[in-house]
Amino acid sequence: GENVEQHPSTLSVQEGDSAVIKCTYSDSASNYFPWYKQELGKRPQLIIDIRSNVGEKKDQRIAVTLNKTAKHFSLHITETQPEDSAVYFCAASRAGRRALTFGSGTRLQVQP
Amino acid sequence: NAGVTQTPKFQVLKTGQSMTLQCAQDMNHEYMSWYRQDPGMGLRLIHYSVGAGITDQGEVPNGYNVSRSTTEDFPLRLLSAAPSQTSVYFCASSYSTGGTVEAFFGQGTRLTVV
Repeated sequence: GENVEQHPSTLSVQEGDSAVIKCTYSDSASNYFPWYKQELGKRPQLIIDIRSNVGEKKDQRIAVTLNKTAKHFSLHITETQPEDSAVYFCAASRAGRRALTFGSGTRLQVQP
Repeated sequence: NAGVTQTPKFQVLKTGQSMTLQCAQDMNHEYMSWYRQDPGMGLRLIHYSVGAGITDQGEVPNGYNVSRSTTEDFPLRLLSAAPSQTSVYFCASSYSTGGTVEAFFGQGTRLTVV
């Protein structure tokens, strides 16, 4: 089955800096890669996603890049703010299968 | 529109007890799933359902049963609770369009087995 590895497990940045979280996946048939944000004590919520026919997608201060050849994808957050502090999860799924396989999560701390 | 509703929010069980975690969604999504979240391990899929009457095992199904008699409800049953099942449980419902799968999560159930 699919295996998704996520790094780093913790990340501390200064307010205004950029943050990058990286994930690799094992199943070459995976074609959909979402990112979820989970604030303390809350449920995970989708923040951005990318399909395998696209190399990059941006939404204001967040962007996701995908390298299908290397089977890795990354989340980029620019101009970080304290409210970006949360746990971020990457995930992958393959065509025809709606189950998501999640990475182990990255705890992002933005220092004011 | 409530989205995905889980009950209870907190539960303490003794080893060997059984219980059912409830999950209901009002978005008419065909696909529903249960995940458990443990520190440092992300969200792991327990069971999922692609529609009423259809269920299948995920990554960590042992010790859990599910059924899907209606589109709205997808309860998770623990038959004989063990301390290893101490975790936070999330139910999710999903829709799929154009190759994307957006999962909507319930607020979670924090389960402690003593």
